[in-house]
Amino acid sequence: AAGVIQSPRHLIKEKRETATLKCYPIPRHDTVYWYQQGPGQDPQFLISFYEKMQSDKGSIPDRFSAQQFSDYHSELNMSSLELGDSALYFCASRQRQGANTGELFFGEGSRLTVL
Amino acid sequence: AQSVAQPEDQVNVAEGNPLTVKCTYSVSGNPYLFWYVQYPNRGLQFLLKYITGDNLVKGSYGFEAEFNKSQTSFHLKKPSALVSDSALYFCAVRDMGPSGAGSYQLTFGKGTKLSVIP
Repeated sequence: AAGVIQSPRHLIKEKRETATLKCYPIPRHDTVYWYQQGPGQDPQFLISFYEKMQSDKGSIPDRFSAQQFSDYHSELNMSSLELGDSALYFCASRQRQGANTGELFFGEGSRLTVL
Repeated sequence: AQSVAQPEDQVNVAEGNPLTVKCTYSVSGNPYLFWYVQYPNRGLQFLLKYITGDNLVKGSYGFEAEFNKSQTSFHLKKPSALVSDSALYFCAVRDMGPSGAGSYQLTFGKGTKLSVIP
């Protein structure tokens, strides 16, 4: 079965650089969530989108922005990177319409290392 | 605000013994409860969920969890642990609110590292 696809899987950047992470949800899933998991930490919700509109906002820094496109894929843009941004970034998707069973399906994550 | 507590950072159990990973939650309305497992450098894999109905829910890989409303708990259990069960386990909650609508985001606990000893 198709899963959530994230790219790149690994990314190394210098401080103050920018980075873009991409997420391709499971086909027919219309809602995308972004989570950040620091080393040894639990995943923290950043932001979510439903039908290309921001639906919920968590602890996303102002330096970060995200959007969902017409094909439902989403991109997380991170600027002025800081050492503390080093983390595993997860994308998750869900189909809001129809059967609402609640669970999110997660991708394998993109590991960002800021040097 | 919704929150999840996993009181144990680490649980060690011998292979073949039963295991329990504890989780308590706090929500303002009705909870949707989930367990996810994470292997090193991997994504979160869904194990099971409680939405409504029977308090004992069964999930993947022989895991089950019991919803206890009075104790606001949702402990993960397995009758006989395998070495391959060693991983990081996260409990998560979605607060449906009094109207049943609620937010669609999940709030995770800090995670419990399960080590199954051969």
